[in-house]
Amino acid sequence: KNQVEQSPQSLIILEGKNCTLQCNYTVSPFSNLRWYKQDTGRGPVSLTIMTFSENTKSNGRYTATLDADTKQSSLHITASQLSDSASYICVVSFSGGGADGLTFGKGTHLIIQP
Amino acid sequence: DTGVSQDPRHKITKRGQNVTFRCDPISEHNRLYWYRQTLGQGPEFLTYFQNEAQLEKSRLLSDRFSAERPKGSFSTLEIQRTEQGDSAMYLCASSPRFPPQETQYFGPGTRLLVL
Repeated sequence: KNQVEQSPQSLIILEGKNCTLQCNYTVSPFSNLRWYKQDTGRGPVSLTIMTFSENTKSNGRYTATLDADTKQSSLHITASQLSDSASYICVVSFSGGGADGLTFGKGTHLIIQP
Repeated sequence: DTGVSQDPRHKITKRGQNVTFRCDPISEHNRLYWYRQTLGQGPEFLTYFQNEAQLEKSRLLSDRFSAERPKGSFSTLEIQRTEQGDSAMYLCASSPRFPPQETQYFGPGTRLLVL
């Protein structure tokens, strides 16, 4: 069964600090992996998308890494800001899976404290 | 605003009532998706349209749920005889090409509370 596991479930850090969120998946055959940011009460917004051949991608202070061999990804947030408080969702798609081929993780709930 | 819009943003209804939600995708996107998200969970796929054709439906979509996209533009999701378990955020997303190559753009969601 295709699964996406995210850790930690929740995280609290001080403003200005860095943090790393983890995503492990069992989706096969792998097509791509995406990280989304979801503010409370809002829809998810895409941060990065990586295919099999990409092992890192940045979007401002967000840097995602992908190890397709170990089926792990991480999202690193640098110099956190209060506006980074949100849920971060890892989404993995498998080839030929159709519209139902996107497997969503449960998300990591990140809180940035001043 | 040229993003995905959803209406209403919030809906409170009594058990047994019918509700209908609307989604307006980004205008040049021909693919439209509905998801359901409960607290602390990731979105769960419900159904998918390519233009006006409903191509996929999740097994989560019981016969009380129906979705339409009559002209290939906006879409509606109707829930008949609502149950308390239907309380959730209903998200709509659109994309210009089939995933997994293209990012989906999500709307703000409709939060449903069934009393």
